[in-house]
Amino acid sequence: AQSVAQPEDQVNVAEGNPLTVKCTYSVSGNPYLFWYVQYPNRGLQFLLKYITGDNLVKGSYGFEAEFNKSQTSFHLKKPSALVSDSALYFCAVRDIRPGSARQLTFGSGTQLTVLP
Amino acid sequence: DAGVIQSPRHEVTEMGQEVTLRCKPISGHDYLFWYRQTMMRGLELLIYFNNNVPIDDSGMPEDRFSAKMPNASFSTLKIQPSEPRDSAVYFCASSPVWRERSGTGELFFGEGSRLTVL
Repeated sequence: AQSVAQPEDQVNVAEGNPLTVKCTYSVSGNPYLFWYVQYPNRGLQFLLKYITGDNLVKGSYGFEAEFNKSQTSFHLKKPSALVSDSALYFCAVRDIRPGSARQLTFGSGTQLTVLP
Repeated sequence: DAGVIQSPRHEVTEMGQEVTLRCKPISGHDYLFWYRQTMMRGLELLIYFNNNVPIDDSGMPEDRFSAKMPNASFSTLKIQPSEPRDSAVYFCASSPVWRERSGTGELFFGEGSRLTVL
């Protein structure tokens, strides 16, 4: 069974400072990892994904994530946070092996608050 | 493309009433997923379809919940009878078929249907 853990329910950071939102995963085979963002009263929006290749993945709005196979982690990062980055962030894993379930399994979410 | 379209955006109903939520996936997508989001339980997968066929409904809470996908462009999630504990935001998402060299893997979500059962 695949799973994702987001150890922090809440992350606060000052505007202009770097931010990190943590995610660890568990999956059989190669992981396909995703980050989504949810603004209040909106659906989930895709930010970035890791499928294969370079361990540092760049995505929308200046976000990036680093895949670390040995630590089974996929932390979301941004060099300089904006107040508008305040939102709920979800890490997710999808198992796409033939015969696998194919659904996206989400973490519990991390509320990011960027303080002005 | 307009993206995944869900209706209604908001629904307030009384306990015991039937609720039907609707979803139009992105054209050409082969997978459709229904998720439920609550503060207590986060995002839960209820059921998903591949080419209109239900593949895994193990997340459906109980027999009061049912989902159908009569064609590639329409799906419904029905709750009958509804209960206050069903109050949540229900999301529909779709994705294209995975292909080894060109698959994208990500799901595309609708804006959700916020259900309140009084």
